[in-house]
Amino acid sequence: DVKVTQSSRYLVKRTGEKVFLECVQDMDHENMFWYRQDPGLGLRLIYFSYDVKMKEKGDIPEGYSVSREKKERFSLILESASTNQTSMYLCASQGALTDTQYFGPGTRLTVL
Amino acid sequence: DQQVKQNSPSLSVQEGRISILNCDYTNSMFDYFLWYKKYPAEGPTFLISISSIKDKNEDGRFTVFLNKSAKHLSLHIVPSQPGDSAVYFCAARGSGTYKYIFGTGTRLKVLA
Repeated sequence: DVKVTQSSRYLVKRTGEKVFLECVQDMDHENMFWYRQDPGLGLRLIYFSYDVKMKEKGDIPEGYSVSREKKERFSLILESASTNQTSMYLCASQGALTDTQYFGPGTRLTVL
Repeated sequence: DQQVKQNSPSLSVQEGRISILNCDYTNSMFDYFLWYKKYPAEGPTFLISISSIKDKNEDGRFTVFLNKSAKHLSLHIVPSQPGDSAVYFCAARGSGTYKYIFGTGTRLKVLA
């Protein structure tokens, strides 16, 4: 079974703090994704990566950056957290030859 | 501009009856579609997919229908069970990309 883990289930941060969200997958997948889920807006893609050190912007990259130094790990960074970044953050991984994305359990981030 | 729309935010169905969840898209270049199911406090899990070369795909109680001319797909669950109560997302992508566009989700409640 594919396993995608996220470093925290719940996180509370203050405005202006730097926030790191970590995601690890154990299936040697090439592709990894970060989404945020908000009520009424569904899942929106922030960034994705198709290889180590490679990244592409998704639909809402503003205020975020990512890092992929190792194949199994994809980090989402909020350089200076703001209250409008309060959301559920979901990480996913996908093999190069498949269409199925496997999701982690999510991190609910609250920025005060 | 929402390219993938799920116009019904919620749906209630009696146990044993059919659940029909709908999804509309605007981009005629989309050629692969998936449905995901999401329980509270968990990440979405893959349910069923369909390629644009087909108009129907079936997996047990779940069937997805694709009407390309109407840019519409639907998920049928027969018979519905209380354990099917979850939020369902449809997602679509164009060829040559890993980037999926997700709908806003429909919350299905199956009443015992």
